[in-house]
Amino acid sequence: QQQVKQSPQSLIVQKGGIPIINCAYENTAFDYFPWYQQFPGKGPALLIAIRPDVSEKKEGRFTISFNKSAKQFSLHIMDSQPGDSATYFCAATQSGSARQLTFGSGTQLTVLP
Amino acid sequence: GAVVSQHPSWVICKSGTSVKIECRSLDFQATTMFWYRQFPKQSLMLMATSNEGSKATYEQGVEKDKFLINHASLTLSTLTVTSAHPEDSSFYICSARDGRFYEQYFGPGTRLTVT
Repeated sequence: QQQVKQSPQSLIVQKGGIPIINCAYENTAFDYFPWYQQFPGKGPALLIAIRPDVSEKKEGRFTISFNKSAKQFSLHIMDSQPGDSATYFCAATQSGSARQLTFGSGTQLTVLP
Repeated sequence: GAVVSQHPSWVICKSGTSVKIECRSLDFQATTMFWYRQFPKQSLMLMATSNEGSKATYEQGVEKDKFLINHASLTLSTLTVTSAHPEDSSFYICSARDGRFYEQYFGPGTRLTVT
């Protein structure tokens, strides 16, 4: 019930491509869905987040698409660059429990030059 | 804004000794702080949640006598690994949240190696 399932586990795209990372959840009490970017040896950095009353959110080259009925959300990276090569985690949280994050398993993205 | 620091960034200690890791929110008041552990190529595993001035809440399977957490102020939390053993070697990451907002911000992590 608390899981967030993330796919794919790894992804390789060419520079300029649009990698898409997908996440699915079961707990309908989740009401906030952030994405984090993590470089090797660093802590995760908050990239973009969405709430379920919105179907899409864009920030720069990053877009979240949200499908409430399907309980799925995805991250799209437009015009991907080699510097975007990192591990991406989706997450979900709900009110209560101090808003603990439930993380997906992560996607290792490689953008080839 | 929303910067979280951790100190030290890496530490090597001998088996049986204790090590303290500090986590600070630099530009906001962190009513809640979280401590995570991360193994290579894996997701983050929540160890404990702490609210300022209260005892930490530990996740199932995390030894609270081994991983001592203190959140004495709105900007500082500490994790002390007591009587460290090689199996405690890991990447420890803290995060902090201002209770008025949803966002949770992470520190840069501390690499602990126990020899």
